Amino acid sequence: EPEVTQTPSHQVTQMGQEVILRCVPISNHLYFYWYRQILGQKVEFLVSFYNNEISEKSEIFDDQFSVERPDGSNFTLKIRSTKLEDSAMYFCATEVSGQGTQYFGPGTRLLVL
Amino acid sequence: AQSVTQLDSQVPVFEEAPVELRCNYSSSVSVYLFWYVQYPNQGLQLLLKYLSGSTLVKGINGFEAEFNKSQTSFHLRKPSVHISDTAEYFCAVRKGQNGNKLVFGAGTILRVKS
Repeated sequence: EPEVTQTPSHQVTQMGQEVILRCVPISNHLYFYWYRQILGQKVEFLVSFYNNEISEKSEIFDDQFSVERPDGSNFTLKIRSTKLEDSAMYFCATEVSGQGTQYFGPGTRLLVL
Repeated sequence: AQSVTQLDSQVPVFEEAPVELRCNYSSSVSVYLFWYVQYPNQGLQLLLKYLSGSTLVKGINGFEAEFNKSQTSFHLRKPSVHISDTAEYFCAVRKGQNGNKLVFGAGTILRVKS
């Protein structure tokens, strides 16, 4: 069964550094999302992406965040200058048109020191 | 805007006992409802979903949920739990299908004891 994959599984970085989180969607999926889960808190929506542009973004998704599909397959989330409060599990989710179900990757655990 | 309330943060239960995890939502528009499960150190796996049709939906691992529009609830049930059901369960809501974000509840940790 096809799966959403994410790399890396864990990343430790220093405050102020840039990080790029990568997601490989299921091949025929057209809608892409990033969510995050701070330890002990609920899963929060960050951004949705369709047809090579952002469809919706949350208040969390400020100018420090960006998303793109650099090569038509990977879907990336970049944090330009990480803060301590960016430490969280980041989940990618993808969806095929018409099914109504978002499929989640295993997540990337980001720790900002 | 949509919101989801999961009334119980933790539910301890003995193996082979029935369980119900509660979920209530609020929305001014029609919504679609989902339950996801998160096993320790893993991602989110879809258990079941309600998009339309029969209000009783069956999912994987013997779970089922009933959509109750008048009570704005979507409670998850299983008649007999196993140790392997120990996990965190998230209720989520979205308006429409494609392209719309999921709004999650805070999660309920199900602890199954032998």
